[in-house]
Amino acid sequence: AAGVIQSPRHLIKEKRETATLKCYPIPRHDTVYWYQQGPGQDPQFLISFYEKMQSDKGSIPDRFSAQQFSDYHSELNMSSLELGDSALYFCASSTSQVRNIQYFGAGTRLSVL
Amino acid sequence: AQKITQTQPGMFVQEKEAVTLDCTYDTSDPSYGLFWYKQPSSGEMIFLIYQGSYDQQNATEGRYSLNFQKARKSANLVISASQLGDSAMYFCAMRPGGYQKVTFGIGTKLQVIP
Repeated sequence: AAGVIQSPRHLIKEKRETATLKCYPIPRHDTVYWYQQGPGQDPQFLISFYEKMQSDKGSIPDRFSAQQFSDYHSELNMSSLELGDSALYFCASSTSQVRNIQYFGAGTRLSVL
Repeated sequence: AQKITQTQPGMFVQEKEAVTLDCTYDTSDPSYGLFWYKQPSSGEMIFLIYQGSYDQQNATEGRYSLNFQKARKSANLVISASQLGDSAMYFCAMRPGGYQKVTFGIGTKLQVIP
């Protein structure tokens, strides 16, 4: 079965640079989520989109923005990168059914030097 | 506010034995979903099992079962017949009804011993 696809898998950036993370949800899933997992921590919710509209927002810094496109893929844009942004970034997708199980991609490991 | 508590930072289990990973939660929402995810050292987050707050029976998925005690607000994961490949971090998580974000616990690191 098709899974959530994230690219790139690894990304190395310098401080103050910009990064773009991409996410391709499972086919027919209408909701996309972004999470940030720091080293040794649990994932923290950043933002979600339902049918291309922002549906929920968590602790996402103002330097970050995200959107969902007409083909349902989503991008997380991160600007003015800081050392503390180094983390594993997950994208997840789900349908809007009652169970609403979120299936995660393999993650993008971002290192800011 | 929602909160997930996992009190076991690390657990060891002998191969082929069963193990229970503890999880308690706190929410004021009458409707919610409970999840367990597995995160191997490679980093991916793998969905294991789901329990809805109105489900009458405990969820089971192969060797995984969820011991759901609603009155105690606990949702323990039971892994039967442990395998070496079960060694990983396990996260308990909750999604309150009407919300989309999932709140995770801090995780339990399980190590299966040959």
